[in-house]
Amino acid sequence: QVQLVQSGAEVKKPGASVMVSCKASGYTFTSYVMHWVRQAPGQRLEWMGWINAGNGDTKYSQRFQGRVTSTRDTSASTAYMELSSLRSEDTAVYYCARDYCSGGSCYQGAFDYWGQGTLVTVSS
Amino acid sequence: QSALTQPASVSGSPGQSITISCTGTSSDVGSYNLVSWYQQHPGKAPKLMIYEVSKRPSGVSNRFSGSKSGSTASLTISGLQAEDEADYYCCSYAGSSVVVFGGGTKLTVL
Repeated sequence: QVQLVQSGAEVKKPGASVMVSCKASGYTFTSYVMHWVRQAPGQRLEWMGWINAGNGDTKYSQRFQGRVTSTRDTSASTAYMELSSLRSEDTAVYYCARDYCSGGSCYQGAFDYWGQGTLVTVSS
Repeated sequence: QSALTQPASVSGSPGQSITISCTGTSSDVGSYNLVSWYQQHPGKAPKLMIYEVSKRPSGVSNRFSGSKSGSTASLTISGLQAEDEADYYCCSYAGSSVVVFGGGTKLTVL
């Protein structure tokens, strides 16, 4: 069965960086795009960007451009998201989520499997 | 990219139907039939309920349906049940490989 297992909670100081990992199992990792979505406490879902696990191509929301980097390790079936220059407003649960694909087509904005979420707290 | 607009809350009694709207622009909802809907219970990851405006993934109840008119998409839940109480988010493709979520709607089952 498909599983996305994320790394544990992090506490960071303002200005620091954080890296969240997302280990995939139960499917061919390199055949899918992985997205990153965050949710601040009591707030809405916010799309951050994606990485094509096959060729490493990335795309980020303009809101995070320059601060976010996604990479992957195909040998470990793991995607990573690094967010730099952290500020208190970056306190949130960060999710990885896989593109939904069916019948040979993948559907933009549809994510069928999600990680359990990683709480990142930014506090001095 | 601005968030899509959803009502903050909706409510309904068991057995009734409710509809949640999701208003975007001609750059996202209005231009693509790539609207999806998610259900999120407290402390849980979102669950995909609808994709491509009106299609249901395997395993999702047919009480959930989606539609779109112009730049507004809608999610309808019929035969409301207690377990439907959750937050609901719409999401749309916005071109250039970018997606945008809505502000979220809290559904209360009375």
